[in-house]
Amino acid sequence: NAGVTQTPKFRVLKTGQSMTLLCAQDMNHEYMYWYRQDPGMGLRLIHYSVGEGTTAKGEVPDGYNVSRLKKQNFLLGLESAAPSQTSVYFCASRTTSGWAQYFGPGTRLTVL
Amino acid sequence: AQSVTQLDSQVPVFEEAPVELRCNYSSSVSVYLFWYVQYPNQGLQLLLKYLSGSTLVESINGFEAEFNKSQTSFHLRKPSVHISDTAEYFCAVSSPNDYKLSFGAGTTVTVRA
Repeated sequence: NAGVTQTPKFRVLKTGQSMTLLCAQDMNHEYMYWYRQDPGMGLRLIHYSVGEGTTAKGEVPDGYNVSRLKKQNFLLGLESAAPSQTSVYFCASRTTSGWAQYFGPGTRLTVL
Repeated sequence: AQSVTQLDSQVPVFEEAPVELRCNYSSSVSVYLFWYVQYPNQGLQLLLKYLSGSTLVESINGFEAEFNKSQTSFHLRKPSVHISDTAEYFCAVSSPNDYKLSFGAGTTVTVRA
């Protein structure tokens, strides 16, 4: 039981490049989330999903897209990376009634 | 949407001393409250949660938090800290009909020998 895993762990992009971050969970959780963490700002929600095939915008969705084609996977895409997207990205998941979210180890992204 | 204020960004403390991390949230009819801990270069781990029932909740490693509805607070305490408690601590809040968590900005605890 690996819990929540994220791929890759580190990535450096140039401005304008695109990439996809993968989140996978093996706990059969319905809800999944993508956050970004910046110093002094806590965690801010980018997008979330309440089930396979559904997605919704969070607090800071601009510049990001997501897809949830399979229940266990939640993908975060950056179509044209900007330096302002330099951050640590965390994925999380939870059950429908459990309320507590379980987090992955994070992806550190640098955009030059 | 709920908002969370963590009143201290940095808390230095000596080993075996007590520590209190303060958290206040915006008022609501009912709330669910959480404390998460993040050790260096790791993801967030759930430390403890309040959903209902007793207003004092405890974790397995000696932390406790008390839900105070009148003061809209959920402060975290530990009577005697260890070096291994050095980490960043996040307070978070949700509501029964909300899928999302709102996080505070975090409090960095540094324990010195």
